[in-house]
Amino acid sequence: QQPVQSPQAVILREGEDAVINCSSSKALYSVHWYRQKHGEAPVFLMILLKGGEQKGHEKISASFNEKKQQSSLYLTASQLSYSGTYFCGTESNDYKLSFGAGTTVTVRA
Amino acid sequence: KAGVTQTPRYLIKTRGQQVTLSCSPISGHRSVSWYQQTPGQGLQFLFEYFSETQRNKGNFPGRFSGRQFSNSRSEMNVSTLELGDSALYLCASSLGQPSGDTQYFGPGTRLTVL
Repeated sequence: QQPVQSPQAVILREGEDAVINCSSSKALYSVHWYRQKHGEAPVFLMILLKGGEQKGHEKISASFNEKKQQSSLYLTASQLSYSGTYFCGTESNDYKLSFGAGTTVTVRA
Repeated sequence: KAGVTQTPRYLIKTRGQQVTLSCSPISGHRSVSWYQQTPGQGLQFLFEYFSETQRNKGNFPGRFSGRQFSNSRSEMNVSTLELGDSALYLCASSLGQPSGDTQYFGPGTRLTVL
């Protein structure tokens, strides 16, 4: 089953913050976050393992609440380069990565 | 390290034909996963190969098949192509750890079925 991402799309001005949510109906072992720019391959951002840890990548960080089977990606002080579609991939006991439908982020000057 | 490579990058086929796509993983990676990406369905998992064996499979018809060679390179085959098979096909390579394994994607093969 695919995880559910929200919102579907968000438009930001440079310097603004945004949160992207990812939730699953299944118990999760890990959550993976990727960003894909138009016409390019998805690029790995970070992986969060069971344990509620938070990770960061420049000004992009994420949290994982395993009890709620949810993860959130935080875009802080957004830059033009943050534009793209963000996907969460969730791994449960079938060891397959299931991806959400994606959240399109547009950062404007 | 060189990244994941996929060939060809673009393909145009007609209904009923078959197609073979190729993926070369990052050196040292033993697992290759294949995904279909379409605007409506997002990224859908096709299958994963590890050490020349299919380790996991998604919910796609038997027309979609794959294999992996001893050098970890993988091929995906689609027989009797349908219009709905038009999509970007992405492969991703990883070390092959049982869980928490980071996947690195190739640039994809854009398949158009006419």
